[in-house]
Amino acid sequence: GQNIDQPTEMTATEGAIVQINCTYQTSGFNGLFWYQQHAGEAPTFLSYNVLDGLEEKGRFSSFLSRSKGYSYLLLKELQMKDSASYLCAVMDSNYQLIWGAGTKLIIKP
Amino acid sequence: ETGVTQTPRHLVMGMTNKKSLKCEQHLGHNAMYWYKQSAKKPLELMFVYSLEERVENNSVPSRFSPECPNSSHLFLHLHTLQPEDSALYLCASSQEKGTGANVLTFGAGSRLTVL
Repeated sequence: GQNIDQPTEMTATEGAIVQINCTYQTSGFNGLFWYQQHAGEAPTFLSYNVLDGLEEKGRFSSFLSRSKGYSYLLLKELQMKDSASYLCAVMDSNYQLIWGAGTKLIIKP
Repeated sequence: ETGVTQTPRHLVMGMTNKKSLKCEQHLGHNAMYWYKQSAKKPLELMFVYSLEERVENNSVPSRFSPECPNSSHLFLHLHTLQPEDSALYLCASSQEKGTGANVLTFGAGSRLTVL
């Protein structure tokens, strides 16, 4: 079967760096997405990786290794507003999105 | 308004009621989706419409009935629901379906509670 694994919950300190991992086993691969979802709000798109390597967007970076079936989302200079759930999703060979259950990130002052 | 708008934001219904969820997108997208989000579970894709035609129906019980009257509007009609149907129902849209960089724009969801 297809599945995406990510930690259920993580805690980090304001101003620090946190890395949220995502491992996947899917039928084919057409890209990996990260979304951010604040409590009670819509998920919003953060990043898309289809080639190996690191993509940087301001304080957020996303890394992909297709051979290892692995990605991570790196958040630097954490702010309280970064407290949210982070959803990892992989597009398989049929262009179906396979979702992880999300990682709830708690930022402490 | 811009983006994807869902109404109502909260809905409480009995098992014998009939209600509808509404979704509207102002982005000119061609594909629209209904997802179910339950606590600590992955998003479950329910229905997909592409250019107003239903292209996916992922074994969803018939008590959920989608309707897409035009490319901007999507409805989810609910009848004789069960308590386990209580969840957040998310609507999303994308430029088109079936491409790699298919970024979804989500609405804030309709929180459904079935008593």
